[in-house]
Amino acid sequence: GENVEQHPSTLSVQEGDSAVIKCTYSDSASNYFPWYKQELGKRPQLIIDIRSNVGEKKDQRIAVTLNKTAKHFSLHITETQPEDSAVYFCAASSPGRRALTFGSGTRLQVQP
Amino acid sequence: GAVVSQHPSRVICKSGTSVKIECRSLDFQATTMFWYRQFPKQSLMLMATSNEGSKATYEQGVEKDKFLINHASLTLSTLTVTSAHPEDSSFYICSASSRAGGSFLSYNEQFFGPGTRLTVL
Repeated sequence: GENVEQHPSTLSVQEGDSAVIKCTYSDSASNYFPWYKQELGKRPQLIIDIRSNVGEKKDQRIAVTLNKTAKHFSLHITETQPEDSAVYFCAASSPGRRALTFGSGTRLQVQP
Repeated sequence: GAVVSQHPSRVICKSGTSVKIECRSLDFQATTMFWYRQFPKQSLMLMATSNEGSKATYEQGVEKDKFLINHASLTLSTLTVTSAHPEDSSFYICSASSRAGGSFLSYNEQFFGPGTRLTVL
């Protein structure tokens, strides 16, 4: 089955700096890669997603890149703000297995 | 659009009792619902996938007789934790998706409920 690895597990940056979180996946059939932000005790919130027919997607301060050959995808947050502090999860799914396989999560701390 | 509710949000029960958690899609028909469990400071782990009108598919290591899942309609799925024990204490989250897609739905996208915090004493 699918295996998603996520790094780093914790990330501390200064306000205004950029943050990058990386994930790798194992199933070459995976074609959907969402990123979620989860605050303590709350549901995961989709912040951006990318499909396998696209190499990059951007939404204001957030961007995701996908390298299908290497089977890895990354989340980029620019001009970080304290309210970006949360746990971020990457995930992957495929047409044959629509359930999401999540990475282990990255705790992002943005220092004011 | 694409709102998923979950009830209750928090439940405390005694060891040995059963607890039912409801997951509802409020403004779309969810052909597939997923149940995840999340332990503190850990990731979401898929427990089972349920399609409306059919039996749930459980992940390896998840006891189907302990975690009963029913998806009787396109808007409701329930998870019943039977004979709960302290080790079942966790955050249970459902998500829903629609195979048909739609004006605001993507085939792949899942919409999460707010979660249920279960504490078994």
